[in-house]
Amino acid sequence: EDQVTQSPEALRLQEGESSSLNCSYTVSGLRGLFWYRQDPGKGPEFLFTLYSAGEEKEKERLKATLTKKESFLHITAPKPEDSATYLCAVQDTGKLIFGQGTTLQVKP
Amino acid sequence: ETGVTQSPTHLIKTRGQQVTLRCSSQSGHNTVSWYQQALGQGPQFIFQYYREEENGRGNFPPRFSGLQFPNYSSELNVNALELDDSALYLCASSTGTSGSFDTQYFGPGTRLTVL
Repeated sequence: EDQVTQSPEALRLQEGESSSLNCSYTVSGLRGLFWYRQDPGKGPEFLFTLYSAGEEKEKERLKATLTKKESFLHITAPKPEDSATYLCAVQDTGKLIFGQGTTLQVKP
Repeated sequence: ETGVTQSPTHLIKTRGQQVTLRCSSQSGHNTVSWYQQALGQGPQFIFQYYREEENGRGNFPPRFSGLQFPNYSSELNVNALELDDSALYLCASSTGTSGSFDTQYFGPGTRLTVL
């Protein structure tokens, strides 16, 4: 069965304390892996698309990487405004499967 | 601002009723997908439309149906509402072709409560 699991469920960091969020997946045919950011009361905001193992994408303090079984979202020197829920989603044939998300809180 | 709007913002219905949720996408966004997001969970894919035809569906029963119109608007219809249908309903649009989920722009969602 197709499955996407994110860990940890919640993460508290001090401002400037770098860390990584994990997204592990089991799908029959990966056609893309996506990272989103979701703020309370809003729809998800697209961050990255990764298509093949070894691929990396960067945007400001965020860097996403992909292997054959998992993806990492690395957050370097986070700021309080990075606080949000981060969602990963995996595309299988004709459908998109989201993980449950990691809620990140960055304290000043 | 993503340019994707949804209406209404909030809605309260009773079990057994029918509901229609609406989404307006950016011009040129031929692909629209709908998702159900329960509190504290990730979104669940309901279905996707490309140029007014359904071209992908998640594990949702037929009482969940949709329409997409040439003016980049779309609807999600749910019949025979159940208590478990209470959730945030999100639409997302993109310029991708059929079956693509790349660079989707989400609306703010409609919060549906079924009593």
